[in-house]
Amino acid sequence: QAGLTQPPSVSKGLRQTATLTCTGNSNNVGNQGAVWLQQHQGHPPKLLSYRNNNRPSGISERLSASRSGNTASLTITGLQPEDEADYYCSAWDTSLSAWVFGGGTKLTVL
Amino acid sequence: EVQLVESGGGLVQPGGSLRLSCAASGFTISNSWMNWVRQAPGKGLEWVANIKHDGSEKYYVDSVKGRFTISRDTDKNSMYLQMNSLRDEDTAVYYCARGDLDDRGQGTLVTVSS
Repeated sequence: QAGLTQPPSVSKGLRQTATLTCTGNSNNVGNQGAVWLQQHQGHPPKLLSYRNNNRPSGISERLSASRSGNTASLTITGLQPEDEADYYCSAWDTSLSAWVFGGGTKLTVL
Repeated sequence: EVQLVESGGGLVQPGGSLRLSCAASGFTISNSWMNWVRQAPGKGLEWVANIKHDGSEKYYVDSVKGRFTISRDTDKNSMYLQMNSLRDEDTAVYYCARGDLDDRGQGTLVTVSS
């Protein structure tokens, strides 16, 4: 099953802003929206953003999700060392009747 | 507080079977879609299967169709994944997740190896 496309890595400096992208198609991201998950090494993933781009309780306001057409984005402002992690997007694909994931983006905070 | 606890993982030979369990608390599984998601060592996340809140619909990733079966027991507020004809490539940490992957457990490791 075809997945979503994410850049493998992004590097930004401390206190800078990083924007992570996730590209799908009209069967998934385009009409269903995407969720974003963060995973630190050795830990289970954690939800950062719902399909409607809202943040779950407890998620920093420095994180914001958006969507334009078939591309979802996660913007993290004021980068901190703890933001260094793997970030995954996922969306329900209505043609496949399956959740599809991106390959993940490794965010490095320099 | 929502909690999901997976169990049942372990070492199994290729061609063998395992049954994973996911015990839910803090919510009723009959009100939620429930999913299994896995992560092979050093790899990304992969959705495996899900079951509709009323059990009427079940979906699977192509690679497990015909081998894995998702089910639930509302009396026990638990979900299961019966895995048959296991292959090396099924080796992964398996997580159960609620709804739109809102809440997940800590995972259970399945290792398929001879």
